[in-house]
Amino acid sequence: GAVVSQHPSRVICKSGTSVKIECRSLDFQATTMFWYRQFPKQSLMLMATSNEGSKATYEQGVEKDKFLINHASLTLSTLTVTSAHPEDSSFYICSARFAPEAFFGQGTRLTVV
Amino acid sequence: AQSVAQPEDQVNVAEGNPLTVKCTYSVSGNPYLFWYVQYPNRGLQFLLKYITGDNLVKGSYGFEAEFNKSQTSFHLKKPSALVSDSALYFCAVSFISGNTPLVFGKGTRLSVIA
Repeated sequence: GAVVSQHPSRVICKSGTSVKIECRSLDFQATTMFWYRQFPKQSLMLMATSNEGSKATYEQGVEKDKFLINHASLTLSTLTVTSAHPEDSSFYICSARFAPEAFFGQGTRLTVV
Repeated sequence: AQSVAQPEDQVNVAEGNPLTVKCTYSVSGNPYLFWYVQYPNRGLQFLLKYITGDNLVKGSYGFEAEFNKSQTSFHLKKPSALVSDSALYFCAVSFISGNTPLVFGKGTRLSVIA
């Protein structure tokens, strides 16, 4: 079946630095990918919709200048957390639809120290 | 607007007993319904889905779910729980099969006690 690969699985960075998370669809083309954020013991909250070749669509309350999304090809979307701060520490998960299915990456645990 | 409700934050069940994790939904039109399981610090693992057809859907690891249109429910069930089933379970809905995100319930933590 279709696979979505997310990398890295965990990253620790210093406050003020930027971190890039990659999300790849391995055996299908994804014109649209989704980025979710999950706080401890909470549900997945949609952050943004990544569109190949165009600007991402951000959910209300998500800072687009902090969470930069690039979807330069049909198989790769990246989320860059810029000038990370401890409050950005969270679990980030990407997803792509291969209708009617939805496939998820393994998630990235970001810790900002 | 579409939404999903998982009314229980926590479900406790003894090993070997049947388990049920509840989910109700609100969408306009025909829903596509999903169940996922998440283990600590891991991504989501797909369990089962309802798209169309039989209301009783069988999925991975012995789980099943019944789509009930009149009650707008999609409860997850297993006849005999295992300790290894202890995890966080998410119900999700989509009403369009194209490039739209799934909407998730808040999750239910299942604890199976030996």
